[in-house]
Amino acid sequence: QQQVKQSPQSLIVQKGGISIINCAYENTAFDYFPWYQQFPGKGPALLIAIRPDVSEKKEGRFTISFNKSAKQFSLHIMDSQPGDSATYFCAASGGGADGLTFGKGTHLIIQP
Amino acid sequence: NAGVTQTPKFRILKIGQSMTLQCTQDMNHNYMYWYRQDPGMGLKLIYYSVGAGITDKGEVPNGYNVSRSTTEDFPLRLELAAPSQTSVYFCASSRDRGGNTIYFGEGSWLTVV
Repeated sequence: QQQVKQSPQSLIVQKGGISIINCAYENTAFDYFPWYQQFPGKGPALLIAIRPDVSEKKEGRFTISFNKSAKQFSLHIMDSQPGDSATYFCAASGGGADGLTFGKGTHLIIQP
Repeated sequence: NAGVTQTPKFRILKIGQSMTLQCTQDMNHNYMYWYRQDPGMGLKLIYYSVGAGITDKGEVPNGYNVSRSTTEDFPLRLELAAPSQTSVYFCASSRDRGGNTIYFGEGSWLTVV
């Protein structure tokens, strides 16, 4: 049972455009929703995270939108740059479980 | 600042061989984790530890063992390697449970032939 569903699997965006990646979760006990960024040959690194008490969190060009009733959250990358090309993972934790439950990842390519 | 350090970076094993992936962290974190990453499948939790002397199974523990004798070290043992264990393995750590940043190592690429 996949508890966090991520889409799309791959995404190509033109430089300067907006990249949008979506995730949906099933476990209503989840209370922490991070996004990780992974470059080839490297481990995932925390990009931005949100808790369900807010609907949006913004850090620079990166924004998480959170919809608790729909059990969905998304990552928006504004003014996308070639350096943003990477694999992005959404994740969730909470409800007494240890560790993170990850989505399957989105391979993002920003074309110059 | 080293963070989470994994060794080896790359390894090729023959079917049936055993090996240990080493992991150490210098952040004095209580929680440590082992994940495996397969193409298009995200990361799946193999084992985790909430402190020295305490370990527990994650989602995909079969074929693996762990130990946690110190706060810093969390080795992952593969017994009788199988082709299905060909994967990238990531060790990670966090200060405590959920809601805190989990820091990952750079990964260990393992191929079983």
